[in-house]
Parts: sequence; C-alpha cells; structure tokens
Amino acid sequence: GDSVTQMEGPVTLSEEAFLTINCTYTATGYPSLFWYVQYPGEGLQLLLKATKADDKGSNKGFEATYRKETTSFHLEKGSVQVSDSAVYFCALSETGGGNKLTFGTGTQLKVEL
Amino acid sequence: EAQVTQNPRYLITVTGKKLTVTCSQNMNHEYMSWYRQDPGLGLRQIYYSMNVEVTDKGDVPEGYKVSRKEKRNFPLILESPSPNQTSLYFCASSFDGYSNQPQHFGDGTRLSIL
Repeated sequence: GDSVTQMEGPVTLSEEAFLTINCTYTATGYPSLFWYVQYPGEGLQLLLKATKADDKGSNKGFEATYRKETTSFHLEKGSVQVSDSAVYFCALSETGGGNKLTFGTGTQLKVEL
Repeated sequence: EAQVTQNPRYLITVTGKKLTVTCSQNMNHEYMSWYRQDPGLGLRQIYYSMNVEVTDKGDVPEGYKVSRKEKRNFPLILESPSPNQTSLYFCASSFDGYSNQPQHFGDGTRLSIL
C-alpha cells in the first residue's frame, strides 16, 4: 500500500536558518503530493502541493519539488522565522483513490531567536 | 468565511457511553472525511463520504459509524467508546473525491475515553 516517510523531529533551528524536512513516498500510481502545516491547537492547513513529476509547489517562502526518480518531496525554506514553528505533514493522494490522504508521521519544527 | 466546524472541541467521557462528534462545512463540498491523529502515527482515515448517502470505510473504521444525510454535515458516532479511541479527531472536506483537490480541515476534537 501507499506510505509516506518523514524525518523524525523535533527539528530545532535558529531564526534565519535554512530548513529542510525530508519526505519520501511509496505509491502504486501517480499520486499528488502535499505539505500540510499544523499550528498549535489548530487543524491542518495546506501549505503547498504538486500534482506531477518535476512540479514545484511553493507558498510563504516554502518550496518542495516532486521528484519521481527518487520518490521524494522534500520541504525547504531559505530563512525560517519563529512564526514557522509548527508540525509539518507530508501527504499523498492517489489518483482514483477516493481523495484519501496518506500522511507521514509529522515533523515538529521549533524556531528560536 | 469558508470553514469546517467540529463540535465539541474537547470531551472527556467514560467507556461505553455513546457520543457523537459533529462536523459541518459551508463550502458545498461533495467529499468529507474523518481522520484520527495519534503520536508517531500521523493521521489515519476513519471513514469518508463521496456525497450524500454515500459513505465508505477508511483505514481504521472499527468502533465508528458515520452518516451523510445532508451535504454539509458528516457526524462521527462512537456507539460504545473504549479507551483505545482516545485521540485527536479531524474532519475534512474537499470539492469532490476525484480530482485530488486539497482538503480543508476543522480545528480538531480531542476525545478522552476513561
């Protein structure tokens, strides 16, 4: 079946540091890939998405590129802020899969001054 | 404002006492879904609904029921809750269940079953 593997957290960075959160996936078809962010006490919000190979999703300074050859969708940001502290989830949705999201376990990011 | 609303946000109850968590969306979405979030496991789908009167099991449906009598509402029912259903629950909706549109999530319901 489908699966998503994320790097374990927590990840602690200083403000303005470079962020990478690794995500790899296993899927039988051609999934769409997503990054969701969860701030404390809130639900998940879509951060960015990519629907086919070599697509780059971007939003709020975050980027991720759909790499079919390495089955990866790593999240990056050039300069993190304290307000980026949250839990980040990588997820996939298979075409024809009833829109079910398969999630990774989440990576907590803490950004300190 | 487009939103998915869950109630209650928090509930502490006892084993065997039936409970319902309500979910309502105001975006006229066809697709709705329930997930539970547990530490180290991420979110797992419990049930989903492609449209009114169309529901199906997700990955972890045991111990749960759902109904979809109206497009906007998708309640999650625990007929006889047990401690292993203590978790954080999220309702989500999207435009449809075919086009891999991003899902909109509620703020979550934290259930504690004693």
